[in-house]
Amino acid sequence: EPEVTQTPSHQVTQMGQEVILRCVPISNHLYFYWYRQILGQKVEFLVSFYNNEISEKSEIFDDQFSVERPDGSNFTLKIRSTKLEDSAMYFCASSLSRGPDTEAFFGQGTRLTVV
Amino acid sequence: DQQVKQNSPSLSVQEGRISILNCDYTNSMFDYFLWYKKYPAEGPTFLISISSIKDKNEDGRFTVFLNKSAKHLSLHIVPSQPGDSAVYFCAASARNYGQNFVFGPGTRLSVLP
Repeated sequence: EPEVTQTPSHQVTQMGQEVILRCVPISNHLYFYWYRQILGQKVEFLVSFYNNEISEKSEIFDDQFSVERPDGSNFTLKIRSTKLEDSAMYFCASSLSRGPDTEAFFGQGTRLTVV
Repeated sequence: DQQVKQNSPSLSVQEGRISILNCDYTNSMFDYFLWYKKYPAEGPTFLISISSIKDKNEDGRFTVFLNKSAKHLSLHIVPSQPGDSAVYFCAASARNYGQNFVFGPGTRLSVLP
């Protein structure tokens, strides 16, 4: 069964450093998302991406964050200068079509720990 | 701003009995609702969904009920099995809002053998 894969599973980084979280969405999907879940809190939407551009982003997704699809298969989330409060599980997701009447398939997540 | 609420952080049910997980929302623009199940160290897994044009959707042991006037939905699992023990997230979206899903805080279900 096709699945969304994320690497690494766990990333530890020093505050102020840049990190790149990687995702390989399901191959025929066209819409890509990043969500995060701070420990003990709810899953929060960060950004959606379609046709090589951001289609929607939340207030969390500030100038420190960026996304790109560099090679047609990977979908990356970059945090330029990490802060302690960026520590969270980051989930990548993809979906086949646009609109809310379609389910998104999630990866297993990358646990980011900023020290 | 809790647009999607799951007021029970945890629920314990005996194996074979019915599990009922509840979800309330405040935004009347939401028109599509999903339930995700999440095991530790894994991403959320889609379980079942319902569109606002329906009031019930069933898939095997899982049934979701939607009461639009009360802005309430519930997930019924019957019979409950130990493997159903997980955190269940209710999520909502609105056609006019694009593709992002608003998640509730989750309910941890424990099915006791």
